[in-house]
Amino acid sequence: DAGVTQSPTHLIKTRGQHVTLRCSPISGHKSVSWYQQVLGQGPQFIFQYYEKEERGRGNFPDRFSARQFPNYSSELNVNALLLGDSALYLCASSLELLRQGYTGELFFGEGSRLTVL
Amino acid sequence: AQRVTQPEKLLSVFKGAPVELKCNYSYSGSPELFWYVQYSRQRLQLLLRHISRESIKGFTADLNKGETSFHLKKPFAQEEDSAMYYCALGSGNTGKLIFGQGTTLQVKP
Repeated sequence: DAGVTQSPTHLIKTRGQHVTLRCSPISGHKSVSWYQQVLGQGPQFIFQYYEKEERGRGNFPDRFSARQFPNYSSELNVNALLLGDSALYLCASSLELLRQGYTGELFFGEGSRLTVL
Repeated sequence: AQRVTQPEKLLSVFKGAPVELKCNYSYSGSPELFWYVQYSRQRLQLLLRHISRESIKGFTADLNKGETSFHLKKPFAQEEDSAMYYCALGSGNTGKLIFGQGTTLQVKP
């Protein structure tokens, strides 16, 4: 198993543009989470999806959206890009929904590095 | 507010020395805490979780609710322990993990 795969690995956009990032979870994993990691900081939670439904959302503006497909892969969309959106975007998958009392492991991808000029 | 603090950006020790990476948290409920590690050119991966009370690669971490801490310890550091270490707090039913800023551990020969 290749693990969690993300595409593209690197991309450059200009302010105001839109970006779509893609994630394929580990086979059998039903939950996908998205994190933003700005240089020098820890990852910051954006979304968790489970069985194609949004099950958690972090403190991000509505410009950020995501969806999960029937095959459990996921897309993260960011509209009207700002310079501050430049970051590494991490996708992580888990077998089940992460919730209180379930301390299953999150498996991370290598990330998509977005640069906004 | 829910928060994880790792006060040291960089911790540098010699091989064979003891290691303690500090993590403090702020959380009103019953905390679920983890340590994640990222070795050079590798993905972020789980090192250990407090509920398992396990020792992984010689590392242990004890949850101290009184001091709201979850420090990561190893009695004798190895060069292969050099990596970025993140402490993370599980937050309720949203699946959200709150990460600290991370500590780079550098083990010198």
